[in-house]
Amino acid sequence: GDSVTQMEGPVTLSEEAFLTINCTYTATGYPSLFWYVQYPGEGLQLLLKATKADDKGSNKGFEATYRKETTSFHLEKGSVQVSDSAVYFCALSATSGGSYIPTFGRGTSLIVHP
Amino acid sequence: DGGITQSPKYLFRKEGQNVTLSCEQNLNHDAMYWYRQDPGQGLRLIYYSQIVNDFQKGDIAEGYSVSREKKESFPLTVTSAQKNPTAFYLCASTSYTRDQPQHFGDGTRLSIL
Repeated sequence: GDSVTQMEGPVTLSEEAFLTINCTYTATGYPSLFWYVQYPGEGLQLLLKATKADDKGSNKGFEATYRKETTSFHLEKGSVQVSDSAVYFCALSATSGGSYIPTFGRGTSLIVHP
Repeated sequence: DGGITQSPKYLFRKEGQNVTLSCEQNLNHDAMYWYRQDPGQGLRLIYYSQIVNDFQKGDIAEGYSVSREKKESFPLTVTSAQKNPTAFYLCASTSYTRDQPQHFGDGTRLSIL
C-alpha cells in the first residue's frame, strides 16, 4: 500500500536558521503531495501542495518540490521564526479502485528558539 | 466562510457511557473522515464516508460507530466498548479528487472522568 516516511523529530533550531524536513513516499498510483501544519490544540491546515512531478509548492516562505525520481517532497524554509513552531505532516493522495484515502506521515515537531 | 465545525471542543466520558462527537461541514464536500491522534503520534483513520448513507471502517474502527444521513454531517460515537478513548479526535472532509487537500476541524479532546 501507499506510505509516507518523515524524519523523526523534534527538530530544534534557532530563529533565522535554515529548515529542512525530509519526506519520502511510496505509491502505486500517481499521487498528489501535501504538507500540513498543526499548531498546539488545533486541527491540521494545508501549508502547500504539488500535483505533478517537478512542481514546486510554496506558501509563507516554505517550499517543497515534487521529485518523482527520488520519490521525495522535502519541506524547506530559508529563515525560520519562533511562530513556525508546530508539527508538520507530509501526506499523499492517490485514487485506487475508486477510493480516496489520504496517507499521512507521522509528523515532525519543529521547535524554534529565539 | 466555508469550513468544518467540530463540537464540543472538550468532552468527558464516564465509565460505561457512549458519547457522540459532532462534525458539520458547509464546503459541499462528498468525502468525510474521522481520525484519532494520540500525544506525539500521527493520525489514525477511524471511519470514512465517500457518499451519504455509506461509510467504511478505517484502521481502528473497533469501539466506534458513525452515521452519514446528510452530506453535511458525520457524527462519531465513542462507545463503552472503546476501553482507551482518551485522545484528540479530528474530522476532515474533501472533494473527491486527487489534487484537493483535506480540510480539518479544530478537533475534540476526549477524556475519561
